[in-house]
Amino acid sequence: EAQVTQNPRYLITVTGKKLTVTCSQNMNHEYMSWYRQDPGLGLRQIYYSMNVEVTDKGDVPEGYKVSRKEKRNFPLILESPSPNQTSLYFCASSFTRLAGVANYGYTFGSGTRLTVV
Amino acid sequence: AQSVTQPDIHITVSEGASLELRCNYSYGATPYLFWYVQSPGQGLQLLLKYFSGDTLVQGIKGFEAEFKRSQSSFNLRKPSVHWSDAAEYFCAVGSGGGADGLTFGKGTHLIIQP
Repeated sequence: EAQVTQNPRYLITVTGKKLTVTCSQNMNHEYMSWYRQDPGLGLRQIYYSMNVEVTDKGDVPEGYKVSRKEKRNFPLILESPSPNQTSLYFCASSFTRLAGVANYGYTFGSGTRLTVV
Repeated sequence: AQSVTQPDIHITVSEGASLELRCNYSYGATPYLFWYVQSPGQGLQLLLKYFSGDTLVQGIKGFEAEFKRSQSSFNLRKPSVHWSDAAEYFCAVGSGGGADGLTFGKGTHLIIQP
């Protein structure tokens, strides 16, 4: 089944304790992105990657890191989490626009609810 | 920079009635436009998308949307809603140039009255 898999689904951690949220896709997509969703703010892009070893900042990158060493994986790293990073996080992936209209469009994972206390 | 506005935070519709959710975008070139739905506790599911061509696009679950360039709008419609349509709906525009990813509106929460 074609899907984007995030782990864990739920995570409670303490301020300052490094954590990684994993994201993996099995569709051979080039594009991958991370979003956070907060009440009243909708979804905001944290980081995106257009291919292996190519990453760039989105709208709210502060406090986050990413890496793209393999095409299928795009982990989100919080080096020193703070309470303002408590949020619902989504990973998404897509073929490039060059793959054609029918193939361009982001598939989202089920989300990771992170609480930082 | 691109932006998306969904003017209605909440909409209440009776079951069986028609639905229209509004979306206005700001983007310099021909936009890539999307509607996603998020059911409670779930991820986002793509309802439909528009890139070019016919301005009326059909999606899943009986939804359609119409692109109107002159109004910078991409409104979502459904002729008859079902209780299972109660969810959060997000309009999004695809980035251009060398960047990628989606810029989302803040969402419209749809409530279905029996």
